[in-house]
Parts: sequence; C-alpha cells; structure tokens
Amino acid sequence: AQRVTQPEKLLSVFKGAPVELKCNYSYSGSPELFWYVQYSRQRLQLLLRHISRESIKGFTADLNKGETSFHLKKPFAQEEDSAMYYCALYNNAGNMLTFGGGTRLMVKP
Amino acid sequence: DSGVTQTPKHLITATGQRVTLRCSPRSGDLSVYWYQQSLDQGLQFLIQYYNGEERAKGNILERFSAQQFPDLHSELNLSSLELGDSALYFCASSAPGQLTDTQYFGPGTRLTVL
Repeated sequence: AQRVTQPEKLLSVFKGAPVELKCNYSYSGSPELFWYVQYSRQRLQLLLRHISRESIKGFTADLNKGETSFHLKKPFAQEEDSAMYYCALYNNAGNMLTFGGGTRLMVKP
Repeated sequence: DSGVTQTPKHLITATGQRVTLRCSPRSGDLSVYWYQQSLDQGLQFLIQYYNGEERAKGNILERFSAQQFPDLHSELNLSSLELGDSALYFCASSAPGQLTDTQYFGPGTRLTVL
C-alpha cells in the first residue's frame, strides 16, 4: 500500500533561515510526487511536481528514490511562506493522489 | 473566475440528514475528484469521475455517493450524516495530461454536522 509521511506537524523558523519540510513515501511503482500549499483560508495550490524539476517561489524538491524522500527546501524563508504544506503521491493504478498529513510552516519576523 | 468552484461554502446540518455538495470543474477539464479533509484523518481521496463515468474510488463510505453530469459538474451526496462527517470537502479537476494529471482544487465546502 502506498503511504506518504510528513513527520513534522509544525515547523517554525525565523525569516531568512533555511527551510526543509520533510516528506517520505512508500510506493511499489515509479513515484510521481507533488507538493501542494494551502495559505490561510485559501484553496490548495500546486507548488511543484518532481517531474517538471522547476523551482516555484524559491522552493525546490528533489526525489531521492534511495531514501524514498521528496523533501521541500528553500534557502531563505519569507513571512509569506507561512502556510500548510502537503506532500502528495500519485497512484497510476488508482488514478488518485495520496496526501501526507501536512506540515504547518510558520515563518517568524 | 475560471477555476474550480464549489457551493455552498458552508453547510450546517443535523445528524441523520442528507446534503448535496456541488462542484464545477475548470473549463475544459474532464476529471473531477472529491476529497475529505478532517482533523483526524487528514486529506483523503474519496472518488473520481472522468467525463461522466466513475474512474477511481478511495475511502468513500457507502452513505456517500457522487455523480458527474453531462455538463461535467459534479455532486457529492452525503446521507445519514454523523458527527464524524464534519469536515472540509474539496473538489479538484484536471485535464488529460501526459503521464500525470495535475489537479486543481476548489475552495472547499465546510460541512458541520450538529
């Protein structure tokens, strides 16, 4: 069975500090992974997907198949980055996304 | 707004009742997905429709059902409601992509069962 784990429910950092939001997955096939962000009182938005290998709002994520991880990183956090972040795994067979429990990022001034 | 829309935004009802949540996908998207977000279960996939046909099923209770209409809007019906059904229900839509369809989410319907 596939599973996505985000071990930290809350991550608090100061503005300008580096950020790493952890995501680990278990999946028997070739994973398709995403990061979604949910700002306060707003809808879930796609932040990035690993196959596009792009950087959005300064965030990057590298798929590490050996460690089954897809951690989200940003070198210098900004206050506007404060939000809920969800890691998600796409199941080709079931045609659905499995989400992690989410990590709330708080960036303090 | 050409994004995914959901109505109503908020719904308060009593146990045992039945409610219908509505979703309109982005223009041109054929797939609609329903998710439930609750404090204890997190964000869980319920069901997917593609061009009117059920395509995938997740952790959807038998008391819940959904359909997608010819105009591609979708409805999620929740019946015999229980306190534990209180949650935020999201709809997402996607267009046929290459390998993986990126899903775009609506603002959600917050259901409170009293």
